Amino acid sequence: GIQVEQSPPDLILQEGANSTLRCNFSDSVNNLQWFHQNPWGQLINLFYIPSGTKQNGRLSATTVATERYSLLYISSSQTTDSGVYFCAVVTGANSKLTFGKGITLSVRP
Amino acid sequence: KAGVTQTPRYLIKTRGQQVTLSCSPISGHRSVSWYQQTPGQGLQFLFEYFSETQRNKGNFPGRFSGRQFSNSRSEMNVSTLELGDSALYLCASSLGTSVDTQYFGPGTRLTVL
Repeated sequence: GIQVEQSPPDLILQEGANSTLRCNFSDSVNNLQWFHQNPWGQLINLFYIPSGTKQNGRLSATTVATERYSLLYISSSQTTDSGVYFCAVVTGANSKLTFGKGITLSVRP
Repeated sequence: KAGVTQTPRYLIKTRGQQVTLSCSPISGHRSVSWYQQTPGQGLQFLFEYFSETQRNKGNFPGRFSGRQFSNSRSEMNVSTLELGDSALYLCASSLGTSVDTQYFGPGTRLTVL
């Protein structure tokens, strides 16, 4: 099956810093989503981005489907950005998401 | 629109018991998928239901089962609980094609003692 690798596994930032989170995948995908898991466990949708670039406030994402990677950019980080960020992809004709192992982000005041 | 809802939010069971979890998808969504999250294995796909039919199944033992009703609500059942079944169980809903955005519920945290 498809492999999804996220890097770095852990990231520690000072408030106000910028960061780039990476997601590599091993095959072509129909769907790629970035999620932020809040402290209570819910997965919050950040982006649906199988290709191209999108921006939402301080967050933006770029997926280069031909090179099989996606990047999530966080600018001017805040302590509330702390948590685990997941990249997940869909291949084939169904809705099964394959997740990476996640990136744990800690933003210090 | 209301989001995906899951009940109950927390459960404590003992080994050997069975448990049923419920997921109500976003109105109009026909696909419901279930995932298990543990610290050791991460997020793993359990199964997907679309229009009351199981469309895809992950690599879990037969103790894990599910169903979907005509209103798209879904239940999953775990029989003969084991300590290793302790996990966060998440459900996701979507319109049902591979290119649709998926939305997750808040999860059910199951503890098996």
